[in-house]
Amino acid sequence: GAVVSQHPSWVICKSGTSVKIECRSLDFQATTMFWYRQFPKQSLMLMATSNEGSKATYEQGVEKDKFLINHASLTLSTLTVTSAHPEDSSFYICSATSFQDKTETQYFGPGTRLLVL
Amino acid sequence: QKEVEQDPGPLSVPEGAIVSLNCTYSNSAFQYFMWYRQYSRKGPELLMYTYSSGNKEDGRFTAQVDKSSKYISLFIRDSQPSDSATYLCAMSSSNTGKLIFGQGTTLQVKP
Repeated sequence: GAVVSQHPSWVICKSGTSVKIECRSLDFQATTMFWYRQFPKQSLMLMATSNEGSKATYEQGVEKDKFLINHASLTLSTLTVTSAHPEDSSFYICSATSFQDKTETQYFGPGTRLLVL
Repeated sequence: QKEVEQDPGPLSVPEGAIVSLNCTYSNSAFQYFMWYRQYSRKGPELLMYTYSSGNKEDGRFTAQVDKSSKYISLFIRDSQPSDSATYLCAMSSSNTGKLIFGQGTTLQVKP
């Protein structure tokens, strides 16, 4: 149980285009989903917290107009990188919280590798 | 100073060795402590979850939390080449709060 998927697994795009990444909880409903970015040999940096049916909460320094997050249902959240530039190239990972054994645990998706040319 | 400090390594050990991975932290409000394993180009996988201080064992893995020293550890017994990965510690002040990650330690277990 507690499987999280992401689509696409990798994407290459031209500078200036927008890219949408989907995050799905496959076998559970996730009230909260998180979006992270990870640069090579660095740790995960939280970008935003997404709650179903409400606006996402962005971390300091993350542009909400550039990284659009939509949490349309309890099993789906999307991250759209608008007008992507080469510096946006990174590994984007989502996680979804599952309530098990009286605690909420974050389960991570496999990640989406974005390369902006 | 980072909230969570973790030596990035790399750490190289022979197969069968006992591995010790550690993190220190500065925020005394952290109560939930996790260890994730991340293979190259993959998302992190939850290994261990511990609340407050104490030890937790699961197979070859043992997690220890010492809140008085603000220090957590993950021990891997009888290490295998398949254990080669990056190990990330993560912690939170609440069971629904955001996670703060360490930098990750890269482990290589040589056959």
